[in-house]
Amino acid sequence: DTAVSQTPKYLVTQMGNDKSIKCEQNLGHDTMYWYKQDSKKFLKIMFSYNNKELIINETVPNRFSPKSPDKAHLNLHINSLELGDSAVYFCASSPAQGANYGYTFGSGTRLTVV
Amino acid sequence: GNSVTQMEGPVTLSEEAFLTINCTYTATGYPSLFWYVQYPGEGLQLLLKATKADDKGSNKGFEATYRKETTSFHLEKGSVQVSDSAVYFCALGVSGGSYIPTFGRGTSLIVHP
Repeated sequence: DTAVSQTPKYLVTQMGNDKSIKCEQNLGHDTMYWYKQDSKKFLKIMFSYNNKELIINETVPNRFSPKSPDKAHLNLHINSLELGDSAVYFCASSPAQGANYGYTFGSGTRLTVV
Repeated sequence: GNSVTQMEGPVTLSEEAFLTINCTYTATGYPSLFWYVQYPGEGLQLLLKATKADDKGSNKGFEATYRKETTSFHLEKGSVQVSDSAVYFCALGVSGGSYIPTFGRGTSLIVHP
């Protein structure tokens, strides 16, 4: 059973389109995250939710909108996709909010905007 | 603020060689320290952690010791395999501080047969 699962694994789309990425965790964790990894492997936090409540919203364009229907799910919707949005997006979870917990990551969604 | 500095990669080794990937940190407070591994096409996996000074984290033949005096958490393995080829990330998290751990930029390891 996959602990943190993301869909889709690959996403190729045209500029200007709207797309969503879904994430689900079956670990019973309270806190979930979205990270963006660029081509040089640099990881950047985008959002964090704790028990469905947004707790971190880094400087991300308004075109990105997360949604957490329950604490096991965290989805990411992106409007008006741009070339610079091409990256690998990772969902992650931790038992609770706090930087001293180890994270469990999903396998990533590779987004390519053409 | 908090920061993590890792050695630049790629690190290229032959199979069975000894591995060291350096990681140093600065932190306000008393951090927990982590190593994550990312195999090609996969997400990051927690490899090992240490929560206080002089603790040694270990897993799958990898080890790292929390050295407060040198603010370091170097990753070591006595004999690497081709299957260890991956990107390794050092990270720190401070309880009661930012909710988000600070990640290093990653070090790519390539092991040749």
